[in-house]
Amino acid sequence: GQQVMQIPQYQHVQEGEDFTTYCNSSTTLSNIQWYKQRPGGHPVFLIQLVKSGEVKKQKRLTFQFGEAKKNSSLHITATQTTDVGTYFCAVAEGNTGNQFYFGTGTSLTVIP
Amino acid sequence: DAGVIQSPRHEVTEMGQEVTLRCKPISGHNSLFWYRQTMMRGLELLIYFNNNVPIDDSGMPEDRFSAKMPNASFSTLKIQPSEPRDSAVYFCASSYSSYGYGYTFGSGTRLTVV
Repeated sequence: GQQVMQIPQYQHVQEGEDFTTYCNSSTTLSNIQWYKQRPGGHPVFLIQLVKSGEVKKQKRLTFQFGEAKKNSSLHITATQTTDVGTYFCAVAEGNTGNQFYFGTGTSLTVIP
Repeated sequence: DAGVIQSPRHEVTEMGQEVTLRCKPISGHNSLFWYRQTMMRGLELLIYFNNNVPIDDSGMPEDRFSAKMPNASFSTLKIQPSEPRDSAVYFCASSYSSYGYGYTFGSGTRLTVV
């Protein structure tokens, strides 16, 4: 399967600070998805990016796909305690688009 | 819709015993995935079914693991015999097979092999 690295592995922020996690691949990706997993929970689908340079927003979350389609980022503005969890990127094998391999994840802790 | 339903939620078993994990995907979803999550290895894709047919089982760790999907509404993951290193959270997920749909995960089965 695909090898996908996420950085950082862990991040602690004060509530109200911004947070960014990065997903990097050595190969060109057809698309990328982002998931959030709360402590003790299961991954929940957030969004999918398909186009080179694509930027999508969900309230305080901004997702970006790199121009070369080899990397992606998730940025959270003004973090809240409800943002706590692990954020995973997931990338598809080849061009079929439906068999996804998950990155190593970034665990976010928000300090009130 | 009740979402993806997995059972049991927790399973504690002795080494050498057979373990069967169950999954009911969302009605209408024609792709089903089994993942294993551990601290050391993260989320690993074990096997992927499309329209009840196994498409890729290259992630299945060894012959002790087997998965079936006898119909569109049910899948099992079996470990026989179980070993302590199989302890993990096992997730089932389903989706539409069309390009670009996100996965819906079940709540997982936490397996402990002692």
